[in-house]
Amino acid sequence: NAGVTQTPKFQVLKTGQSMTLQCAQDMNHNSMYWYRQDPGMGLRLIYYSASEGTTDKGEVPNGYNVSRLNKREFSLRLESAAPSQTSVYFCASRGTPKEAAFFGQGTRLTVV
Amino acid sequence: QKEVEQNSGPLSVPEGAIASLNCTYSDRVSQSFFWYRQYSGKSPELIMSIYSNGDKEDGRFTAQLNKASQYVSLLIRDSQPSDSATYLCAVLGGGYQKVTFGTGTKLQVIP
Repeated sequence: NAGVTQTPKFQVLKTGQSMTLQCAQDMNHNSMYWYRQDPGMGLRLIYYSASEGTTDKGEVPNGYNVSRLNKREFSLRLESAAPSQTSVYFCASRGTPKEAAFFGQGTRLTVV
Repeated sequence: QKEVEQNSGPLSVPEGAIASLNCTYSDRVSQSFFWYRQYSGKSPELIMSIYSNGDKEDGRFTAQLNKASQYVSLLIRDSQPSDSATYLCAVLGGGYQKVTFGTGTKLQVIP
């Protein structure tokens, strides 16, 4: 049982390049989340999906797009990467309405 | 005002002591409250969930919730060097959708 799987684990992009971060969960969870974590800023919510077919903006959505491909998969796309998007990105999923979120191992992204 | 606030620390305690970590939140209709532990370079790991006022104990960990004061805390008894990590407080909002995190408190347990 893998839980929440993110790919890739590390990535270096040049300014202006695009890429998609992939996330898949095998816990049959309805809700999925993308966070970024920067030193001193904690985990900040980028986008979330309460259920298959729905997505909503979080605290810091600018520069990102998401797709809830199906119940298992929730991807995060950077269309034109900027150095300010250098961060560690975490995907998480949550099951029943009151449950906690469970995290993937993270993607460390550097934009140069 | 931030939605979830924590003292960033570091909080230093000697081995064997009680570590007390605190968190306040602004959304009065918040439903669920969580404590995560995060080691450097790793992802957050859930250690406690609490849903109603009072105390909840799990091994060396006790979570305390006071909804009237909008305050949640985590006590770690008999602290060990392996407890040295950043502890994140998280709150599930009234819509049962958004989980908001504090910036975390760094705990250092001194042998």
